[in-house]
Amino acid sequence: AQSVSQHNHHVILSEAASLELGCNYSYGGTVNLFWYVQYPGQHLQLLLKYFSGDPLVKGIKGFEAEFIKSKFSFNLRKPSVQWSDTAEYFCAVTPKEGGKLIFGQGTELSVKP
Amino acid sequence: DTGVSQDPRHKITKRGQNVTFRCDPISEHNRLYWYRQTLGQGPEFLTYFQNEAQLEKSRLLSDRFSAERPKGSFSTLEIQRTEQGDSAMYLCASSSPPGVRVNTEAFFGQGTRLTVV
Repeated sequence: AQSVSQHNHHVILSEAASLELGCNYSYGGTVNLFWYVQYPGQHLQLLLKYFSGDPLVKGIKGFEAEFIKSKFSFNLRKPSVQWSDTAEYFCAVTPKEGGKLIFGQGTELSVKP
Repeated sequence: DTGVSQDPRHKITKRGQNVTFRCDPISEHNRLYWYRQTLGQGPEFLTYFQNEAQLEKSRLLSDRFSAERPKGSFSTLEIQRTEQGDSAMYLCASSSPPGVRVNTEAFFGQGTRLTVV
């Protein structure tokens, strides 16, 4: 069955700390991978995406993610978080030809000023 | 503003009533998706359309739920005989079809929050 697993349900960091959110997926084929962010009271927004090519992808606001095919992982990183990064982060996958997104359960990030 | 608009933003209804939500996708997008999100969970796929054709429907979707996209533009999601367990945020998203230079990322609307009392 297709599934996405996010390792952490709630992460609390101080400003300037480094961030890594884990994401593993299970899918029997080639995939596209995404990280979406949902700031408090706002809609889901795309943070970054991987379709093909360089497995290290850079997104908005200094976020990056690395696709490791052998580990079925797509972990999200940021070297130094800010209070404004407080949000919920969702990892998601679609088949290569597109279609429905399968989401992980989300990781709530709280950054203390 | 993502360009996907949903109406209404909030809906409170009594158990047993029918409700209908509307989604207007980004105009050039021919794929439209419905998801449901409950507190502490990621969005859960309900159904999707390519133009007016409903291509996939989740097996988890009760037959009380029906969706339409009659002219391949806006879509409606109807829930009949609502139950308290239907309380959730209902999200709509749209995307372009895959192609050589067209990516397949989905853009989400603000959602409709349904509360069944």
